[in-house]
Amino acid sequence: ETGVTQTPRHLVMGMTNKKSLKCEQHLGHNAMYWYKQSAKKPLELMFVYSLEERVENNSVPSRFSPECPNSSHLFLHLHTLQPEDSALYLCASSQATGGDNEQFFGPGTRLTVL
Amino acid sequence: LAKTTQPISMDSYEGQEVNITCSHNNIATNDYITWYQQFPSQGPRFIIQGYKTKVTNEVASLFIPADRKSSTLSLPRVSLSDTAVYYCLVGDSWGSQGNLIFGKGTKLSVKP
Repeated sequence: ETGVTQTPRHLVMGMTNKKSLKCEQHLGHNAMYWYKQSAKKPLELMFVYSLEERVENNSVPSRFSPECPNSSHLFLHLHTLQPEDSALYLCASSQATGGDNEQFFGPGTRLTVL
Repeated sequence: LAKTTQPISMDSYEGQEVNITCSHNNIATNDYITWYQQFPSQGPRFIIQGYKTKVTNEVASLFIPADRKSSTLSLPRVSLSDTAVYYCLVGDSWGSQGNLIFGKGTKLSVKP
């Protein structure tokens, strides 16, 4: 248990569906992240939030829409995805942004787009 | 942008010491060096972090030479459960995540 939970753990969706991934951290951290990990590829940072404000968006397609209503919760809204979006989506949190802060990762959501 | 280079894979046997070296020739003055471990279908887990010289904790040691252009993660007496991918990252402490990038990592296979 890292103190970061993600739901659902597994998700199968069609290309026309709309779904949301949820992340919750119980660590009192101020920064939260979404990563994508495709098969045999390195983790890709998608979004970074600090104190509920987005600070990084690494050119992620608009079919991925993040939401951070408070410092403990992070959502990733999915709309009109493509099969190549199938991947493990990981949420992480840290006390603050910056490379000297340990990131705590959740177990991930395994997404399959049909 | 500090890029890291690690071996793609390494093999070892139970009980051996494993050293994984990471190159980061363009490391900046404010960059820290961090190592994470990842098991299949799980999120990465922090192992150790350092800035210079040597850092040791209950699971590993991190050796950083004076020029900081490389670092070596040392795992003493590995077991089968240490089979995982190990990532080396460099990132600054200024609050920007723009250069905190996970590379391909080193896949360590520990054999009995």
